[in-house]
Amino acid sequence: AQSVAQPEDQVNVAEGNPLTVKCTYSVSGNPYLFWYVQYPNRGLQFLLKYITGDNLVKGSYGFEAEFNKSQTSFHLKKPSALVSDSALYFCAVRDKPWTDKLIFGTGTRLQVFP
Amino acid sequence: DTGVSQDPRHKITKRGQNVTFRCDPISEHNRLYWYRQTLGQGPEFLTYFQNEAQLEKSRLLSDRFSAERPKGSFSTLEIQRTEQGDSAMYLCASSPSGIGEQYFGPGTRLTVT
Repeated sequence: AQSVAQPEDQVNVAEGNPLTVKCTYSVSGNPYLFWYVQYPNRGLQFLLKYITGDNLVKGSYGFEAEFNKSQTSFHLKKPSALVSDSALYFCAVRDKPWTDKLIFGTGTRLQVFP
Repeated sequence: DTGVSQDPRHKITKRGQNVTFRCDPISEHNRLYWYRQTLGQGPEFLTYFQNEAQLEKSRLLSDRFSAERPKGSFSTLEIQRTEQGDSAMYLCASSPSGIGEQYFGPGTRLTVT
């Protein structure tokens, strides 16, 4: 079965420092990968996706993610963290090429300290 | 606001009662999805529609759960004979196609007492 793993429940980083939120995947075939962010009392917001092409994907709010096929990873990154980036981040993978079903990870809480 | 809307935002019900939630997708999005999220977990897929056709339904969805999208626009999710284990956030999302991102609504929080 397809799956994604987010090995860190929480990531702490100081404002202005680079941040990384980790995601690894397990799929058969080519993965369709997504990152979403969830702010308190708000719905999930799409950040970026990898379908095919360039391994470095740029998304909203200055975030980017690097697809690494050999390490089966899709880590979310940002060069300089903001306090307002503090939120819950979810990695997701499309279950199969012929379905829209997304499988989400358990989430990583990002805390950016001033 | 032209995003996905869900109604109600909160629902408290007693065990054994039936509840129905509504989702209005972004206009012209032909795909609509339902997920469930419990505390500390990521969203869990329930079902999805392309227009009015229900294309996939999770095996986790018991026969107490039913979803409809009768005219290919809004959708309803009904839970019959609610149980305490049904307490969760129910999320709706829509998409203009199957290949891209899904746009999520704010969710309906269900509490079963």
